[in-house]
Amino acid sequence: DVKVTQSSRYLVKRTGEKVFLECVQDMDHENMFWYRQDPGLGLRLIYFSYDVKMKEKGDIPEGYSVSREKKERFSLILESASTNQTSMYLCASSLGASGNYNEQFFGPGTRLTVL
Amino acid sequence: AQSVTQLGSHVSVSEGALVLLRCNYSSSVPPYLFWYVQYPNQGLQLLLKYTTGATLVKGINGFEAEFKKSETSFHLTKPSAHMSDAAEYFCAVSDLKLIFGTGTRLQVFP
Repeated sequence: DVKVTQSSRYLVKRTGEKVFLECVQDMDHENMFWYRQDPGLGLRLIYFSYDVKMKEKGDIPEGYSVSREKKERFSLILESASTNQTSMYLCASSLGASGNYNEQFFGPGTRLTVL
Repeated sequence: AQSVTQLGSHVSVSEGALVLLRCNYSSSVPPYLFWYVQYPNQGLQLLLKYTTGATLVKGINGFEAEFKKSETSFHLTKPSAHMSDAAEYFCAVSDLKLIFGTGTRLQVFP
């Protein structure tokens, strides 16, 4: 089974702090994604990556950055956390080159609260 | 550009009743379509997917969905709801990355 793990289930940070959210997948997937989920808005794509050291902006990249130094790990960085970044963050991975019809496998999510 | 519309942000049914969650998509190419389920405080889990071939797709937990190209729909159904089906359901269409609908929260009453 594909396993996608996220470093924290719950996180509380203060405004202005630098926040790192880590995601690791164990199935050698090429693609990795970061979403945020808010009530009534569904899932919104923040950033994604097709390969090591590659990144692409999603629909809402402002206020976020990402890092992919190893194939299995994709980090989401909030350079200076703000209260409007309080949300559920979901990481996902999928095979490259439209493998398996782009089916994505999700981690359990990190619920981030910024005070 | 591809898009997904889920009609109804909340659906309530009685235990044992039919579940029908609606999804319409827009796609310029033959679509790959997915339904995911999210239980409280968890990530998303794949329920079923349509890629090619048979238009009626069966998934886990007794759910199924039918791809209707003429109606650009991919509605999710289950003949008899169970309390454990209470969750949020997301429809998605594949375009290298997945395009998700805004979700439908299913409540099941005893």
